[in-house]
Amino acid sequence: GEDVEQSLFLSVREGDSSVINCTYTDSSSTYLYWYKQEPGAGLQLLTYIFSNMDMKQDQRLTVLLNKKDKHLSLRIADTQTGDSAIYFCAESMNQGGKLIFGQGTELSVKP
Amino acid sequence: GAGVSQSPSNKVTEKGKDVELRCDPISGHTALYWYRQRLGQGLEFLIYFQGNSAPDKSGLPSDRFSAERTGESVSTLTIQRTQQEDSAVYLCASSVGTGGGYTFGSGTRLTVV
Repeated sequence: GEDVEQSLFLSVREGDSSVINCTYTDSSSTYLYWYKQEPGAGLQLLTYIFSNMDMKQDQRLTVLLNKKDKHLSLRIADTQTGDSAIYFCAESMNQGGKLIFGQGTELSVKP
Repeated sequence: GAGVSQSPSNKVTEKGKDVELRCDPISGHTALYWYRQRLGQGLEFLIYFQGNSAPDKSGLPSDRFSAERTGESVSTLTIQRTQQEDSAVYLCASSVGTGGGYTFGSGTRLTVV
């Protein structure tokens, strides 16, 4: 079946790196996504990775994918207070199909 | 439009009433999705449209829920005889279907009292 798991909370100090982890169960997942949700707002796509990649970097964001262990992580370098939000991991089987979301990780950045 | 637009942004309704939630996708986006987010939880998939057909409606929780889409444009999610457990934020998203990820709207917060 399809299931995506994330830890619920992460607290870091401003300037530190944050690492948000996600595990998924469906080995046929082909696309994995990270979304950010700020209070009262919709979801913003941060980045995504194809399953045939093991790393993707975009400015302060680094996504690592371990397909063997079905583990995805999002690293935010030099975390800022503006990064405080809920981060959702999601998987899909194909482009244009439904996404299966984790329950979200609330990132709290302390000054 | 420039983004995915949803209306109303907030809706309070009495238990047993019907509600209609509207989504205007980004122009040219052929795929449209509805999700539900209960307080403090992740997103539950409801239904997916490709054009005006719905190849996947597996997430609709009961026959009180229905959705339609006109061409590759506006979609309406209808909840009949609302119950308190229907209280949630209903999110709509659209995509061109060829790229990665969707663009989400800001959602409709539905409260059933």
